[in-house]
Amino acid sequence: EVQLLESGGGLVQPGGSLRVSCAASGFTFSTYAMSWVRQAPGKGLEWVSGVSGSGSTSYYVDSVKGRFTISRDNSKNTLYLQMNSLRAEDTAVYYCAKWWRGDLVPGYFDYWGQGTLLTVSS
Amino acid sequence: SYELTQPPSVSVSPGQTASITCSGDKLGDKYASWYQQRPGQSPLLVIYQDNKRPSGIPERFSGSNSGNTATLTISGTQAMDEADFYCQAWDSRTVVFGGGTKLTVL
Repeated sequence: EVQLLESGGGLVQPGGSLRVSCAASGFTFSTYAMSWVRQAPGKGLEWVSGVSGSGSTSYYVDSVKGRFTISRDNSKNTLYLQMNSLRAEDTAVYYCAKWWRGDLVPGYFDYWGQGTLLTVSS
Repeated sequence: SYELTQPPSVSVSPGQTASITCSGDKLGDKYASWYQQRPGQSPLLVIYQDNKRPSGIPERFSGSNSGNTATLTISGTQAMDEADFYCQAWDSRTVVFGGGTKLTVL
C-alpha cells in the first residue's frame, strides 16, 4: 500500500525558513518523480515543485523560484521542501504527491499524502 | 503561463448526470486528469489520460478531452460524490491545475 506522510509544518514568521518532509513507503521510491502541491485556506490546488526519481531534474512554479528548494534522499525514501524567505501568501497545506512515472513528463499524480500545514504570520 | 478554467460550481440532483468542464488553449492536445477532494481530505485521482479510471473508481466517472475543453462526467450522481473537483494538465515543465469546481448534489 502506497503511503505518503508529510511532516514539519508549523508557524513561521515572515522572512523565516522551514523544511517539510514526506516519508514514502509501499513503492520503489527512487523510480518515481515526486511533487509538492499546496492549498491555501479555502482555495484551490497549486503545484509548487517537482523532482525526478533520480533527483537530477527539478522544476518550480515562478512564485517560489529562488526561495524554495526541492530535494530527495532515495536511501531514506524521503522527499523534502526547503522553504526560505517565507511570505504570508505561502500559508497553505503542503501535500506530497507521487507522479505516475520517474521522469517529469506529461502525466498525473496517482497518490497524495494527507498534507502538513504551514502558517506564515507574525 | 498556461491556464485552465473551470466553473466555480455545478449542481445536480441525485441520480442525474453532472458535467464539469475544464477549458484551456488547445487542451485537447494535452492529457487531462481529474481529482476529487472531499472536505477535509486529500485529493483523489478519478480520471487520468483524459478518460481512464484508476482501480477502485466507480464506472459512473468518465472523461473526455477535445479541442479546448476537457469534461468530467458523473452519471447517476450520488450524495457521496459531493466534493470539489480539479482538472490538471502539464505544460512547459509545470503542472497546472484548474481553479476547481464545487459539485453540489441536491
